[in-house]
Amino acid sequence: AQSVTQLDSQVPVFEEAPVELRCNYSSSVSVYLFWYVQYPNQGLQLLLKYLSGSTLVESINGFEAEFNKSQTSFHLRKPSVHISDTAEYFCAVSKGTNAGKSTFGDGTTLTVKP
Amino acid sequence: DTEVTQTPKHLVMGMTNKKSLKCEQHMGHRAMYWYKQKAKKPPELMFVYSYEKLSINESVPSRFSPECPNSSLLNLHLHALQPEDSALYLCASSQVGEGGANTEAFFGQGTRLTVV
Repeated sequence: AQSVTQLDSQVPVFEEAPVELRCNYSSSVSVYLFWYVQYPNQGLQLLLKYLSGSTLVESINGFEAEFNKSQTSFHLRKPSVHISDTAEYFCAVSKGTNAGKSTFGDGTTLTVKP
Repeated sequence: DTEVTQTPKHLVMGMTNKKSLKCEQHMGHRAMYWYKQKAKKPPELMFVYSYEKLSINESVPSRFSPECPNSSLLNLHLHALQPEDSALYLCASSQVGEGGANTEAFFGQGTRLTVV
């Protein structure tokens, strides 16, 4: 079985500051990792994913995440946040490349203040 | 078209009512999913359909009845729900690759269900 722990339930930051949302996972087998974003009253959107290859993955809106196998982590970072990044962020893990059957962390609420 | 469309967006129903949630996608995906999400919680997988056949039922009560009439549609029939079933119900779809693999699930906007 796999599990996901998001270490911070809420992260408040000021606009243009850097941010890191932390995610640790546990699994007895190889896993694939995802970050999803959920804006208020909306569904989930895939932000980025790690399947294999380069351990640093990037999204089109400036977020990046680094897969660290030894520390079983997949932290999400952005060097400069915007007000529009305010949302709920979910880290998820799947066994095999089956994104539809992922196990989700409890989520981190990112609040960007002006 | 990379959208998963869910209707209705909001639904209020009594405990004796029968209602249905609908989900539609036209991306040619052959796997479809229902998730339940309570406020401030992560989504919880309820059902998985693969090639229009139910492949996973995560011990969901029988008052929730899924149906996949064709490869583009997924329904969730609701009957005799309880107030604690109030939640956001999310539909998702994905391709099915070799060995059941898929690398991205597309989510709909959800149906906000309130049971009174």
